[in-house]
Amino acid sequence: NAGVTQTPKFQVLKTGQSMTLQCAQDMNHEYMSWYRQDPGMGLRLIHYSVGAGITDQGEVPNGYNVSRSTTEDFPLRLLSAAPSQTSVYFCASSYVLTGGGTEAFFGQGTRLTVV
Amino acid sequence: AQSVTQLGSHVSVSEGALVLLRCNYSSSVPPYLFWYVQYPNQGLQLLLKYTSAATLVKGINGFEAEFKKSETSFHLTKPSAHMSDAAEYFCAVSKSGYSTLTFGKGTMLLVSP
Repeated sequence: NAGVTQTPKFQVLKTGQSMTLQCAQDMNHEYMSWYRQDPGMGLRLIHYSVGAGITDQGEVPNGYNVSRSTTEDFPLRLLSAAPSQTSVYFCASSYVLTGGGTEAFFGQGTRLTVV
Repeated sequence: AQSVTQLGSHVSVSEGALVLLRCNYSSSVPPYLFWYVQYPNQGLQLLLKYTSAATLVKGINGFEAEFKKSETSFHLTKPSAHMSDAAEYFCAVSKSGYSTLTFGKGTMLLVSP
């Protein structure tokens, strides 16, 4: 029972390089999202998806791109890495609770350093 | 718009002492509230959730939280701290139906022997 799997766990990029952070879930949840975590800032929403083929922007979308072709996968692409994108990235898979609200399950994170 | 404020970026307690981590929310609609814990170099794990049923919510590892609408608060407590409770704690809010989570900035709990 893997839950939410993120790869890689660690990555170092040079400024201007591009890369894709992978996220896969095996809980058959419709909803997935990407957050970044920076010291003293909590988690901030980058992009989210409410189902295959449907994505939308969150609070800090600039410099990132997403697509969702299957229920299971939700990759995050950095188009041209910048030092400001040095962060820990978390993918989450969510479902709507019977009583209302949304519960999220998180991956272990990807620690990205841009030099 | 929703927001969450966690008072105190760091809280220090002695082992065996009461743990109190504060969370206040702002929401224009009835909120759904969550506490998550993050151990070093780990992802976030759900501690407990409020979904408009009982106002006193019990979670894992002996933690509980009380929803107080009049105070717009959802503070996290544990009667007796253990060394293993040292971690960062995040309060989060969502709306009804599908909604992304809005997080507070987190509170680091330090437990000394």
